[in-house]
Amino acid sequence: AQSVTQPDIHITVSEGASLELRCNYSYGATPYLFWYVQSPGQGLQLLLKYFSGDTLVQGIKGFEAEFKRSQSSFNLRKPSVHWSDAAEYFCAVGAVSGNQGGKLIFGQGTELSVKP
Amino acid sequence: GAGVSQTPSNKVTEKGKYVELRCDPISGHTALYWYRQSLGQGPEFLIYFQGTGAADDSGLPNDRFFAVRPEGSVSTLKIQRTERGDSAVYLCASSRQGPGSNEQFFGPGTRLTVL
Repeated sequence: AQSVTQPDIHITVSEGASLELRCNYSYGATPYLFWYVQSPGQGLQLLLKYFSGDTLVQGIKGFEAEFKRSQSSFNLRKPSVHWSDAAEYFCAVGAVSGNQGGKLIFGQGTELSVKP
Repeated sequence: GAGVSQTPSNKVTEKGKYVELRCDPISGHTALYWYRQSLGQGPEFLIYFQGTGAADDSGLPNDRFFAVRPEGSVSTLKIQRTERGDSAVYLCASSRQGPGSNEQFFGPGTRLTVL
């Protein structure tokens, strides 16, 4: 079955510290992978995506993620966290083709808090 | 340009009532998606339209839920005989095409509360 697991429900980091949010997926074919961020009262905003090619992808706001096929992982990283990064982060896998095309399967999310 | 818009932003209704939630996608986007997000959870897929037709409605939980997109633009999600368990944020997203370019742009959502 297709699924996305984000093992950490809540993470707290100090401002300026590095960040890694974990994501593991289960999917029967080559996946499209995404990270979205959701701030209170805001819609989901795409941070970055992986379709193919270079397994290290760069996104907006200084975020990056690395696709590791052998580990079925797509972890999100940022070298130095800012207070404005506090939000909920969702990893998602998208179907590549077929009659399930267009469906995104989301993880349950990781809430990030940033300490001053 | 304008993003995905959803109306109303909040809807409070009583158990057993009928509700309609509206989504205006980004102009020119042919694919439209509905998701439901319960408190503390990630969004859960409901239905996907390519143009006017529902290409995948496997996520609709039961026959009380129905969605239409008659002219290939605006979509309406309809819920009959609402139940308290239907309370959630309903998200709409659109993308330029179907799965090939699968970058979905999300609206702010409609928060539905069933009393």
